[in-house]
Amino acid sequence: DTGVSQNPRHKITKRGQNVTFRCDPISEHNRLYWYRQTLGQGPEFLTYFQNEAQLEKSRLLSDRFSAERPKGSFSTLEIQRTEQGDSAMYLCASGINQPQHFGDGTRLSIL
Amino acid sequence: KQEVTQIPAALSVPEGENLVLNCSFTDSAIYNLQWFRQDPGKGLTSLLLIQSSQREQTSGRLNASLDKSSGRSTLYIAASQPGDSATYLCAVWGTDKLIFGTGTRLQVFP
Repeated sequence: DTGVSQNPRHKITKRGQNVTFRCDPISEHNRLYWYRQTLGQGPEFLTYFQNEAQLEKSRLLSDRFSAERPKGSFSTLEIQRTEQGDSAMYLCASGINQPQHFGDGTRLSIL
Repeated sequence: KQEVTQIPAALSVPEGENLVLNCSFTDSAIYNLQWFRQDPGKGLTSLLLIQSSQREQTSGRLNASLDKSSGRSTLYIAASQPGDSATYLCAVWGTDKLIFGTGTRLQVFP
């Protein structure tokens, strides 16, 4: 499978815990995007990378959120001290200068 | 700030009907517009991409039009089938990110 891969598919955690998601983009894609989608809403932009450089972060990305893309390959999104409002689907997309292919997302549920 | 609106929010139709889904955006300074399909619990699949210089794009039973000056796009689905049931999302590409609408949830029943 040469698509965008996200792991885990579903994460259940208690409020206050830290969680980390991983995204493996399509190998030749220089851009990688993170979006968050809550029930009944469209995806909201969080951040994006061009190769290893993080070029933009949304105001939605509070200090508890951090994203990395070491060596311009896979990316991780970490949420510290999770809150109920963090419950959502986290989508990753990759492309050449634009998001072209989306992964199936990681669904985060906060107990 | 770019805002994207989709109407209707939900639609339920019998098989065989021709459908029109609407998308409007507030800032006409866009590079392109995309229509996506999202199945429950899944990611997004790109259906059609219209460059800002284009008026429409077609793929099979799908046709999307773009009127930048009025800030509108429509997705036309011909001869709908139960397999078309999904959420359809419109997104505009402005400055380095896609801005999505809230989607139209479509159900086509046999």
